Amino acid sequence: QVQLQESGPGLVKPSQTLSLTCTVSGDSISSGDHYWAWIRQPPGKGLEWMGYIYYSGNTYYNPSLKSRVSISVDTSKNQFSLKVNSVTAADTAVYFCARNVWDSGSGSYQDYWGQGILITVSS
Amino acid sequence: DIQMTQSPSSLSASVGDRVTITCRASQTIAKHLNWYQQRPGKGPDLLIYAAYNLHRGVPSRFSGSGSGTDFTLTISSLQPEDFATYYCQESYSTSYTFGQGTRLEIK
Repeated sequence: QVQLQESGPGLVKPSQTLSLTCTVSGDSISSGDHYWAWIRQPPGKGLEWMGYIYYSGNTYYNPSLKSRVSISVDTSKNQFSLKVNSVTAADTAVYFCARNVWDSGSGSYQDYWGQGILITVSS
Repeated sequence: DIQMTQSPSSLSASVGDRVTITCRASQTIAKHLNWYQQRPGKGPDLLIYAAYNLHRGVPSRFSGSGSGTDFTLTISSLQPEDFATYYCQESYSTSYTFGQGTRLEIK
């Protein structure tokens, strides 16, 4: 059974960098079978896809966030990470990591998700 | 940017009812449309991918249809565990935009 678990500090100060890690079990990032994604959800609002990474380090970002977001991978730990620079209160959200399937015929979708972690941006 | 609009935003129904949720894209997305279910405090669960493909383990009472700009998610006979929020998502663009969600409540 594939499981993903987000970890990181729950509180970040404005203008600082938000850093989160996702630990994957039940699948190997280095197998190259999937991409690995971050999605966020502000309290009481909808979902925003942020970007994903391949085991090789190739990344794809939502154009609306590209200037502030970076995703990295550590295949030795079977983890991938998210950084968001210069955070504001608008970055307060539940952050989810997910396994992303990409198929030329079926397109792209997230088939396994973590439980999410609430990150609050406040001084 | 592709905009995804779901209707209705909320819906009240009873156990056993047949329910349909609609998702409309602002431009054609072929069949690159996914549906998710989210229960309170949980991450979303994939229901349907590529417009009509049922994800493994998802009950057959869920079905998806559509292509181009108009899509539907149908639940043929509501069960108590189906009361949740449903989101559509396009995977045609580089933003993978979600709809605003449809909250399905017990009548």
